[in-house]
Amino acid sequence: NAGVTQTPKFRVLKTGQSMTLLCAQDMNHEYMYWYRQDPGMGLRLIHYSVGEGTTAKGEVPDGYNVSRLKKQNFLLGLESAAPSQTSVYFCASTHWDGSVTSGSGGEQFFGPGTRLTVL
Amino acid sequence: DAKTTQPPSMDCAEGRAANLPCNHSTISGNEYVYWYRQIHSQGPQYIIHGLKNNETNEMASLIITEDRKSSTLILPHATLRDTAVYYCIATRVSARQLTFGSGTQLTVLP
Repeated sequence: NAGVTQTPKFRVLKTGQSMTLLCAQDMNHEYMYWYRQDPGMGLRLIHYSVGEGTTAKGEVPDGYNVSRLKKQNFLLGLESAAPSQTSVYFCASTHWDGSVTSGSGGEQFFGPGTRLTVL
Repeated sequence: DAKTTQPPSMDCAEGRAANLPCNHSTISGNEYVYWYRQIHSQGPQYIIHGLKNNETNEMASLIITEDRKSSTLILPHATLRDTAVYYCIATRVSARQLTFGSGTQLTVLP
């Protein structure tokens, strides 16, 4: 199992350019998440998905769009990149069995991150 | 999610137990306590979680006070590779989300 993979690992964009970050997981997880992490700070949730064809906004969704066309993939798009979007982006996935007695839905598996710089 | 409070940094000698505290005094009855760690520049790694009983796995032990207002993550024999930022999160499973705070930077000293 590769777990959660992210493509690309590094990217430099100019202001106004667009790009798509790809997250893939091979664990058959229903839930997938995109976070950003700025220097010295904790992770902040951008968007998430509770299943194929679904997406929802997180804490900091502005300037980003997402799509979940296949269960194993979760795409994060920047339509017009801004310097404020310079950050490290992490993808995560998890399985929630519907049980509130096990707490299993909180065990998220993270990818290695994509380091994005917007000039 | 209940607010959690952690010290910003701690040191621990290699081979000794590392005890990382977390305060979650407003936790509600259906909120679990989750611990993650993030080694420099890597994605966070799940460590352990619990509701009200103490828990142990191959990585760590989690001690939750009887009133559930605080917890302690214990790394029994810290190594240099345990140097990382440790995050304590209190959340309902049904929320399906995690909110990461600033965490505790643990530095294991040789």
